[in-house]
Amino acid sequence: KAGVTQTPRYLIKTRGQQVTLSCSPISGHRSVSWYQQTPGQGLQFLFEYFSETQRNKGNFPGRFSGRQFSNSRSEMNVSTLELGDSALYLCASSLTQATPYEQYFGPGTRLTVT
Amino acid sequence: AQKVTQAQTEISVVEKEDVTLDCVYETRDTTYYLFWYKQPPSGELVFLIRRNSFDEQNEISGRYSWNFQKSTSSFNFTITASQVVDSAVYFCALSTNTGNQFYFGTGTSLTVIP
Repeated sequence: KAGVTQTPRYLIKTRGQQVTLSCSPISGHRSVSWYQQTPGQGLQFLFEYFSETQRNKGNFPGRFSGRQFSNSRSEMNVSTLELGDSALYLCASSLTQATPYEQYFGPGTRLTVT
Repeated sequence: AQKVTQAQTEISVVEKEDVTLDCVYETRDTTYYLFWYKQPPSGELVFLIRRNSFDEQNEISGRYSWNFQKSTSSFNFTITASQVVDSAVYFCALSTNTGNQFYFGTGTSLTVIP
């Protein structure tokens, strides 16, 4: 079974631009979560989607948004990029929404904002 | 509020030594789930274990074992006879019954010296 895939793997953007990251979950998984990982703040939860609906949202500004498609693939968008948005963005998929279940993580997208 | 504390930032051990990684959590929920993940240098988080708050039984899987104690709000992870391949950053995480939002600790970087 293929794992979680994320594209692109690396991205360099300029301050003020916007970016879209993509995540394809494991086949059959309907929950997709996004995390930001930085050396200073560690792993922080951005949001979770299940059946195209955002169920949980972390404490991030509105510049961070996401969506999920009917095939469970998810995209994350960051508008008006800031230097502090440089991070590894991880996507995780899970089989169920009912109770917290193990999440399987993708390799991440390394975003650098200059 | 949910919180996970991994007080050990970095640990170095010599190969074949045993090592315990500490994890202390905080939550007011009576139902919650605890997880351990491994992040090797390649960057992809690997799921190790999931434990719910009603199951305090310790678990052993090969060289890995976990000690869950509700009385001290701890979920410690022991690697027996460590190997160089165990070198990684290990994260403890907490999730409550409200979805797949994980609260991660700051991680413990383990280096196993040959």
